[in-house]
Amino acid sequence: DTEVTQTPKHLVMGMTNKKSLKCEQHMGHRAMYWYKQKAKKPPELMFVYSYEKLSINESVPSRFSPECPNSSLLNLHLHALQPEDSALYLCASSQDHFDEQYFGPGTRLTVT
Amino acid sequence: SQQGEEDPQALSIQEGENATMNCSYKTSINNLQWYRQNSGRGLVHLILIRSNEREKHSGRLRVTLDTSKKSSSLLITASRAADTASYFCATDARGYSTLTFGKGTMLLVSP
Repeated sequence: DTEVTQTPKHLVMGMTNKKSLKCEQHMGHRAMYWYKQKAKKPPELMFVYSYEKLSINESVPSRFSPECPNSSLLNLHLHALQPEDSALYLCASSQDHFDEQYFGPGTRLTVT
Repeated sequence: SQQGEEDPQALSIQEGENATMNCSYKTSINNLQWYRQNSGRGLVHLILIRSNEREKHSGRLRVTLDTSKKSSSLLITASRAADTASYFCATDARGYSTLTFGKGTMLLVSP
């Protein structure tokens, strides 16, 4: 199974809402990533988990809160987002940091 | 910034033609990867080339790496409409902890 799944596919939320994005992989990968991607731009790294521990936080605002409950799951908790946070949020995994990354299909987030 | 620079930013060709896109980077690397992204979807890994390799093939894809010029090229031969996508290079710059993606080339292949 070489698939990374993400739910939901689409999410519309108000600025006062709290929601979560979910990501799952069953490839035994030890590194998992959250990226944010704006239209016509490359993916922008947000967080990296390595062996279920947060290893990189690219100075992301605290309204984004990652969580890695176990080696297969990655969550991104959202609270008090701004309209400029609207973007495609991508999850990825890899065996190690510099190996090929497997991406999920993404969650299209709209903040109103 | 280590971020790679793809060139051209956009490329429009006819089916059957070859497409070439280039990637330049700034510091030494261990390997360079190419990814494809169809509109609004996740990225798909295409090929990885190591710093001690000069050329690699995968189906209709051919990747070259010139470490002296800090550049790589991706050639797609006999392109198809289904190749329409954005293509990104990604490098593992020494001193950085993860891959760094370039700005991407948008390829449009018309039937």
